Amino acid sequence: TQLLEQSPQFLSIQEGENLTVYCNSSSVFSSLQWYRQEPGEGPVLLVTVVTGGEVKKLKRLTFQFGDARKDSSLHITAAQPGDTGLYLCSGGGADGLTFGKGTHLIIQP
Amino acid sequence: DVKVTQSSRYLVKRTGEKVFLECVQDMDHENMFWYRQDPGLGLRLIYFSYDVKMKEKGDIPEGYSVSREKKERFSLILESASTNQTSMYLCASSLYPRQGGTFGSGTRLTVV
Repeated sequence: TQLLEQSPQFLSIQEGENLTVYCNSSSVFSSLQWYRQEPGEGPVLLVTVVTGGEVKKLKRLTFQFGDARKDSSLHITAAQPGDTGLYLCSGGGADGLTFGKGTHLIIQP
Repeated sequence: DVKVTQSSRYLVKRTGEKVFLECVQDMDHENMFWYRQDPGLGLRLIYFSYDVKMKEKGDIPEGYSVSREKKERFSLILESASTNQTSMYLCASSLYPRQGGTFGSGTRLTVV
């Protein structure tokens, strides 16, 4: 069974700080996606990574796929209140599509 | 802008009612999914479809059924609503079957 463990579960930091959240598994994934979800809304796709070691940047957000395609990280530089939300990762592998339970991120002004 | 549209944002239904949740996508995707999302449990897959007229059970199909008569439309049916089906329901469609795709805005269903 594929599992994706996201850490930390909750994170509250001040505006302007940097942060990294993680998505880890013992399984290999052919691709991995990151989403941000705001309360009462559906998840919004941020990025898809498919190659081991791949790094993608989306403004202040940097996504990295592990060399072995078992893990990923999301780094936010100079966090802003608008970054507040639930960050979900999902991975596609031999058992289909798996979602992590997410990291609840709060950026305080 | 590509879209997945869910017919209702909020629904309140009575126990025992038959409930229909509709989802329409305009991206010509083959793959469509229904999830429910509950605090502490994350997203759980109810049903998915890789093609018209085709459906597969996900992790928690009990008490639900689906219909996919047209490529763009995937409906979730609660045969006899129960209070434990109170949840946020999310529809998604994707180009690839093993990639998370585009989600709708969700339907918050309350069964009383």
